[in-house]
Amino acid sequence: GENVEQHPSTLSVQEGDSAVIKCTYSDSASNYFPWYKQELGKGPQLIIDIRSNVGEKKDQRIAVTLNKTAKHFSLHITETQPEDSAVYFCAASTYYGNNRLAFGKGNQVVVIP
Amino acid sequence: SQTIHQWPATLVQPVGSPLSLECTVEGTSNPNLYWYRQAAGRGLQLLFYSVGIGQISSEVPQNLSASRPQDRQFILSSKKLLLSDSGFYLCAWSIAGELFFGEGSRLTVL
Repeated sequence: GENVEQHPSTLSVQEGDSAVIKCTYSDSASNYFPWYKQELGKGPQLIIDIRSNVGEKKDQRIAVTLNKTAKHFSLHITETQPEDSAVYFCAASTYYGNNRLAFGKGNQVVVIP
Repeated sequence: SQTIHQWPATLVQPVGSPLSLECTVEGTSNPNLYWYRQAAGRGLQLLFYSVGIGQISSEVPQNLSASRPQDRQFILSSKKLLLSDSGFYLCAWSIAGELFFGEGSRLTVL
């Protein structure tokens, strides 16, 4: 099955700087890659996703890039703010059908004011 | 729009007691439904998923069970809780691949 690895496990950044979280996946058939943000005591929220027919997707301060050849994808947060502090999960699956998402172990991002 | 409701939000139960967590989804039909657990640390462990009424697949052997009595209702149960069942339980739903989580239920077994 799919195996997703996420690095680094913890990331501290100064407010205003950029944060980058990288994930690798093992199954070349995977074609859907979402990112989730989980604030303390809450359920994870889908913040952005990308499908294999594009290499980059942007939504305001967040962007995701995908390299299918190398089987890795990254989340980029620019101009970080204290409210960006959270745990971020990456995941991978085949988009269609009932395949389940394979999640990374999560990354704690701390934005220092 | 679709919404997912999960309750109770917090639960403290003694070892050996039963458990029932309930989840309902509104605004969609025939969703795939999931129960995840998040123990100490951050990982998301898939416990059960369902593609339709009465259809339950278990991912991990344990003393928990799941049922789907109606299209948009998913229930997580246990007859006798163990200390190791403590954790943060998340219900989720999906259609066409995108997965959406509920707010979670914090279970503490004492």
